[in-house]
Amino acid sequence: EAGVAQSPRYKIIEKRQSVAFWCNPISGHATLYWYQQILGQGPKLLIQFQNNGVVDDSQLPKDRFSAERLKGVDSTLKIQPAKLEDSAVYLCASSLREGPFPLYEQYFGPGTRLTVT
Amino acid sequence: LAKTTQPISMDSYEGQEVNITCSHNNIATNDYITWYQQFPSQGPRFIIQGYKTKVTNEVASLFIPADRKSSTLSLPRVSLSDTAVYYCLVGAYGQNFVFGPGTRLSVLP
Repeated sequence: EAGVAQSPRYKIIEKRQSVAFWCNPISGHATLYWYQQILGQGPKLLIQFQNNGVVDDSQLPKDRFSAERLKGVDSTLKIQPAKLEDSAVYLCASSLREGPFPLYEQYFGPGTRLTVT
Repeated sequence: LAKTTQPISMDSYEGQEVNITCSHNNIATNDYITWYQQFPSQGPRFIIQGYKTKVTNEVASLFIPADRKSSTLSLPRVSLSDTAVYYCLVGAYGQNFVFGPGTRLSVLP
């Protein structure tokens, strides 16, 4: 079974520019997550989708970050404009089952390493 | 939002059993406890999940006491390839669950 795909793997931009990340979850997985992982820290959940609806986006900085999951499959995460503190690895994960309980096993992609200069 | 506390780092030798404890004093009734492993430049990988008592799979065991305020991940007979960061995650679907800083395990020959 193919894993979670993400692109690009690396991205370098200047502050105030915009950037977009793409994620293709494992086929049939209803739930999709976007995380931000700053060097030396654990992943921080930004947004969680079930199919094409948002389950939780309380930690998403909505003034600059946006995400969508059209047709309940692929997803994109956008940052506009980027700040220096956005430098991190952006991880996408998916899980097979829907809610409510428990927190089902998440399968993570390799991540996109973003550097903002 | 359950917060977790783990040791920052641990050292072990090949062949030993390693136990990593996670504290989660404000765990909620619906929360499950999940452990993930992460190697450098990779996304985390699921190890094991439990709600109470003991859970065992082919790679690890998870011990959860009755009050569920802590949990212990047990890795039997570790090898060099088990050197990684281990995260304890507490939460339930639909919540903003949080990965802590993790425990950096170093397995020495």
